[in-house]
Amino acid sequence: QSALTQPASVSGSPGQSITISCTGTSSDVGSYNLVSWYQQHPGKAPKLMIYEVSKRPSGVSNRFSGSKSGNTASLTISGLQAEDEADYYCCSYAGSSPYVVFGGGTKLTVL
Amino acid sequence: QVQLQESGPGLVKPSQTLSLTCTVSGGSISSGGYYWSWIRQHPGKGLEWIGYIYYSGSTYYNPSLKSRVTISVDTSKNQFSLKLSSVTAADTAVYYCARDPGIAVAGTPGWFDPWGQGTLVTVSS
Repeated sequence: QSALTQPASVSGSPGQSITISCTGTSSDVGSYNLVSWYQQHPGKAPKLMIYEVSKRPSGVSNRFSGSKSGNTASLTISGLQAEDEADYYCCSYAGSSPYVVFGGGTKLTVL
Repeated sequence: QVQLQESGPGLVKPSQTLSLTCTVSGGSISSGGYYWSWIRQHPGKGLEWIGYIYYSGSTYYNPSLKSRVTISVDTSKNQFSLKLSSVTAADTAVYYCARDPGIAVAGTPGWFDPWGQGTLVTVSS
């Protein structure tokens, strides 16, 4: 059982927007602005898409955005494209022990 | 740009010790400002953080694995390593090494970038 809770799957049509939620507790997501999101295509390593809740690394499309409210973080992908179909994982710093917690992952299907 | 590459045996027998090395290129581990981490992914499952090491040798481990894990660093070779003892089939996974730039950016560890390509380790007799 993962420490952070994500929906198992979400889907959307090309051009639409989707949001993936990531629910933690007051000991992780709620306490630190250190939520990150990763995209993983089959057989590939995860790729950082969002860090510090809402910051985008250089090279990541501005169609990806992050936010947080209380113990729940969210990743929104706007203008869905076929290439966005992948698994998405959230992650949060959790202070001293366990330090880092991941969500169970969400499979995004672009219809 | 920094790149990470995992290496080590792809097959380990039950009860033995899994040993992997991550070689860092394009940057120096000893320059500081980053934590160096191991993360694993069981087949078809999610990500599990194993632990961090700083160039100074300070380590932080996932409590669920702490009794079996040792992460070490060799700054002369620009490598860090993972040892996981007393393995069982439940330790079969793809093992990734990754850099956490949080210290350099935010003063605290917090995210992983970049990642190595990952290496599958199977525990079987």
